[in-house]
Amino acid sequence: DGGITQSPKYLFRKEGQNVTLSCEQNLNHDAMYWYRQDPGQGLRLIYYSQIVNDFQKGDIAEGYSVSREKKESFPLTVTSAQKNPTAFYLCASSLPSQPQHFGDGTRLSIL
Amino acid sequence: DAKTTQPNSMESNEEEPVHLPCNHSTISGTDYIHWYRQLPSQGPEYVIHGLTSNVNNRMASLAIAEDRKSSTLILHRATLRDAAVYYCILRETSGSRLTFGEGTQLTVNP
Repeated sequence: DGGITQSPKYLFRKEGQNVTLSCEQNLNHDAMYWYRQDPGQGLRLIYYSQIVNDFQKGDIAEGYSVSREKKESFPLTVTSAQKNPTAFYLCASSLPSQPQHFGDGTRLSIL
Repeated sequence: DAKTTQPNSMESNEEEPVHLPCNHSTISGTDYIHWYRQLPSQGPEYVIHGLTSNVNNRMASLAIAEDRKSSTLILHRATLRDAAVYYCILRETSGSRLTFGEGTQLTVNP
């Protein structure tokens, strides 16, 4: 079945460490997105990419980095510069101007 | 991005219709109205979208006011599985970004 796979489902990180969240899609979508969600709040856009080898900052990009070397993959790195990384991270993909399809998320916690 | 206003929470009984309102008084002529819903610990799920005319699909109906300053998502017969946070979002015709508010938490009582 086509879809978006985020892994792992739960991730723990020590303070000061970088960590990379995986997002893979087999929907042949051009655009991919990363969102962050804090408890009781809506999603906030971190980064998005509309085409391979190109990406743009969203509303809360500080402390995060991404790459888009393949159409299917859009990994997100949470760097040590992100002061409050504990959150639920969601990846999505879409065709141009079409509805977004979301993965099931990765919950990141700081030890 | 144009903003939307939704009630924080609503409650319904199972098998009854539910009308979820959304105000978007600053909507521009090129903004589509999108609805997504999110179940606990899952990613959002697309529900429906429209521009000017009312829309129906297998999940819901979308009623859009004539002046487009408000819209209503209609679930014709609520089930327990419809309990979720519902987000009303404006999206530019040529844009790909979504800006999520805090949505409406729908509770469905058995």
